[in-house]
Amino acid sequence: DTGVSQNPRHKITKRGQNVTFRCDPISEHNRLYWYRQTLGQGPEFLTYFQNEAQLEKSRLLSDRFSAERPKGSFSTLEIQRTEQGDSAMYLCASSLDGVSNYGYTFGSGTRLTVV
Amino acid sequence: QKEVEQNSGPLSVPEGAIASLNCTYSDRGSQSFFWYRQYSGKSPELIMSIYSNGDKEDGRFTAQLNKASQYVSLLIRDSQPSDSATYLCAVSRPPNPGRRALTFGSGTRLQVQP
Repeated sequence: DTGVSQNPRHKITKRGQNVTFRCDPISEHNRLYWYRQTLGQGPEFLTYFQNEAQLEKSRLLSDRFSAERPKGSFSTLEIQRTEQGDSAMYLCASSLDGVSNYGYTFGSGTRLTVV
Repeated sequence: QKEVEQNSGPLSVPEGAIASLNCTYSDRGSQSFFWYRQYSGKSPELIMSIYSNGDKEDGRFTAQLNKASQYVSLLIRDSQPSDSATYLCAVSRPPNPGRRALTFGSGTRLQVQP
């Protein structure tokens, strides 16, 4: 297993376009998280899946954002009608349920630039 | 008040010295505490976790937790230039309801001078 994989690594898009990111978690991990990080800030929670169920969404996740995790495996995060304020690093993380250590393993992230 | 607060730094220490990084949190229900290291342009990497009051040591790293004071710290002994990074403090609460996500501080930038 090579860890949490995110694609693409970088995305440049024009304002108003839709973008989709993909995350492949560690295979045995049933929890998957999306975070957003801007320069000089810590990661901000966006949403969390346990298997295929989306159990929590942050207030940061406006109606332009949608996330899915079909079949409880990989996940996608889509941003519709992108805005310049969406420019950030989007981080995916996974962890294993039932383990007292809630620390996650992060992927390398997708850096989004909206021009 | 932010849920997790850290001094942004930079904290500058000479090579070989002890670096002390501090974090305070606002939710008394927090139960699990983590330190992540993040190099510039990279994703966070878990380096320490602590759940009980007191100290936990792992190699050159020691995490300290004081729940009464709502305070977590990370000590790095014999600091090396390769330790230069941003250190993120993260906390989690018990599921409430279904709340399992970690809350991160903004991080403290550590610079170790050769």
